[in-house]
Amino acid sequence: EVQLVESGGGLVQPGGSLRLSCAASGFTFSSYEMNWVRQAPGKGLEWVSYISSSSSTIYYADSVKGRLTISRDNAKNSLYLQMNSLRAEDTAVYYCARDRVNPGGYYMDVWGKGTTVTVSS
Amino acid sequence: QSVLTQPPSVSGAPGQRVTISCTGSSSNIGAGYDVHWYQQLPGTAPKLLIYGNSNRPSGVPDRFSGSKSGTSASLSITGLQAEDEADYYCQSYDSSLSGSVFGGGTKLTVL
Repeated sequence: EVQLVESGGGLVQPGGSLRLSCAASGFTFSSYEMNWVRQAPGKGLEWVSYISSSSSTIYYADSVKGRLTISRDNAKNSLYLQMNSLRAEDTAVYYCARDRVNPGGYYMDVWGKGTTVTVSS
Repeated sequence: QSVLTQPPSVSGAPGQRVTISCTGSSSNIGAGYDVHWYQQLPGTAPKLLIYGNSNRPSGVPDRFSGSKSGTSASLSITGLQAEDEADYYCQSYDSSLSGSVFGGGTKLTVL
């Protein structure tokens, strides 16, 4: 079964750090690009970051540039999101999602259940 | 404010047809990038519903269909069922942002 399982969420103070992980199984992780997408409480989906299969290409949303860092370890079938200088507005459920490419762009065909990050004093 | 614009809510009676619109701009949908749709049932993760404007992944009923024209796209649901009550999001790629963009989401209520 194709599966993504996020972990590492929790309560952190403003200015603090957190590292999220996403464990992949049931597919050849090293062949796929990956994304992090977040959803603030009661709000819509917001794309956060993208990483290519070899980590050679990385993109971030402007709202997180310079504070969040995406990475992956293909040997461990894992995706990561290092979150520094956290703000209240980073409070959200964070989903990892598998990326698929078609001639017209990118979409996300497999999603994890998410991990909750709460930034509060 | 989301890059892609969706109506906040739509509703319909069981058996009826509803349509959800998604409007973008010249840097995303209008630039020729495909539109994809996701369904998020209450308390769950999003699920891919339509990809490449009009394609359904395996397991998605043919009651769900998508289309795209110019800078807009739409998701149609026919034969509404109570289990279709969910939030629906459109998504595309934006060349000026170098990343994916989502609509603000549309809450579908089955009356």
